Amino acid sequence: KAGVTQTPRYLIKTRGQQVTLSCSPISGHRSVSWYQQTPGQGLQFLFEYFSETQRNKGNFPGRFSGRQFSNSRSEMNVSTLELGDSALYLCASSEGQGLNTGELFFGEGSRLTVL
Amino acid sequence: GESVGLHLPTLSVQEGDNSIINCAYSNSASDYFIWYKQESGKGPQFIIDIRSNMDKRQGQRVTVLLNKTVKHLSLQIAATQPGDSAVYFCAENAVTGNQFYFGTGTSLTVIP
Repeated sequence: KAGVTQTPRYLIKTRGQQVTLSCSPISGHRSVSWYQQTPGQGLQFLFEYFSETQRNKGNFPGRFSGRQFSNSRSEMNVSTLELGDSALYLCASSEGQGLNTGELFFGEGSRLTVL
Repeated sequence: GESVGLHLPTLSVQEGDNSIINCAYSNSASDYFIWYKQESGKGPQFIIDIRSNMDKRQGQRVTVLLNKTVKHLSLQIAATQPGDSAVYFCAENAVTGNQFYFGTGTSLTVIP
């Protein structure tokens, strides 16, 4: 069974631009979560989707948004990029049937650099 | 809000020794905890989990201990190997939510 796939793996943007990151979860997994990881910090929760619905959202500004498609693939978008948005963005999938989503399976991440 | 913290940001151990990585959490409602290992350039990888109705769980060379009284979690790695060198994160999941809160991580270095 293929793991969580994230694209692109690396990208460079300039301030003010917007970016879209993609995540394909493990086959059969309906929950997709997004996390931001910056140097010296832990993983910060962005949002979680289940069956195309956002179930939870972290404390990030409205410039960060996401969506999930009927095939469980997910995208996240960051608009009006700032230097502080430079980070590794990690996607994780899980079966997510109940409130306790269970083990998260992470992808390799998309490393975003904002210049 | 919730906070998950680690007592030590770095830990160095001799190969063959046991390692103990600690984690404190603040949300007494959290009922599910996971330890993740992250190697350089890779995403976090599941190591072991424990639910709040348990105080100890063992895996292959790893043991997780949960002390709900003091809201403390620890990961013990037996006979630490060079391949165990990585950053280790603890994560908690509250029963009322679907999101995990991660600690800042402990960097484990195994000295051959």
